[in-house]
Amino acid sequence: DAGVTQSPTHLIKTRGQQVTLRCSPKSGHDTVSWYQQALGQGPQFIFQYYEEEERQRGNFPDRFSGHQFPNYSSELNVNALLLGDSALYLCASSLALGEGNTEAFFGQGTRLTVV
Amino acid sequence: LAKTTQPISMDSYEGQEVNITCSHNNIATNDYITWYQQFPSQGPRFIIQGYKTKVTNEVASLFIPADRKSSTLSLPRVSLSDTAVYYCLVNRDDKIIFGKGTRLHILP
Repeated sequence: DAGVTQSPTHLIKTRGQQVTLRCSPKSGHDTVSWYQQALGQGPQFIFQYYEEEERQRGNFPDRFSGHQFPNYSSELNVNALLLGDSALYLCASSLALGEGNTEAFFGQGTRLTVV
Repeated sequence: LAKTTQPISMDSYEGQEVNITCSHNNIATNDYITWYQQFPSQGPRFIIQGYKTKVTNEVASLFIPADRKSSTLSLPRVSLSDTAVYYCLVNRDDKIIFGKGTRLHILP
């Protein structure tokens, strides 16, 4: 079982550009969540996808968008990059069991640097 | 979701038992308590999850009192490799919200 895989592992972009990050969930998982983690901070929830739709969203601007494909993989898109978008972007997958009893598996993350 | 409060940092020595306590005063009936471990530049790793009383796995124990307003993660006989950030969080319906975590530093 490959677990959660993210690509690329590192990325350098210029301010104003657009970026797409990719995530393949753990086998059997149908829910994908994205997080942004700045240096020294805890991960911040961006949004969550289930059944190809955005189900929940954190406090992030519309520059952050996503997509989930029929095979449950997901993309995170960030437009008009700002220096402050530099962070580790984490993808987590889980199985929608409901009742709050969920174990999320995280990928290794994509380190995005905006210059 | 209930806000969690935990110590910013802790130091301990190899071989000792480490207990990290987290408070979650506004926990709701359907909320579970989960602990994650994170090493630098890696994604968080699930440690343990519980609803009430005590849960134990091969890595840790989780103690939850009857009122569920706090929980304690217990790491038996820590080693240098347990140096990491530990996050206590309350999750409901797959939404996981992280706090600042506790930076645990294990000394030789």
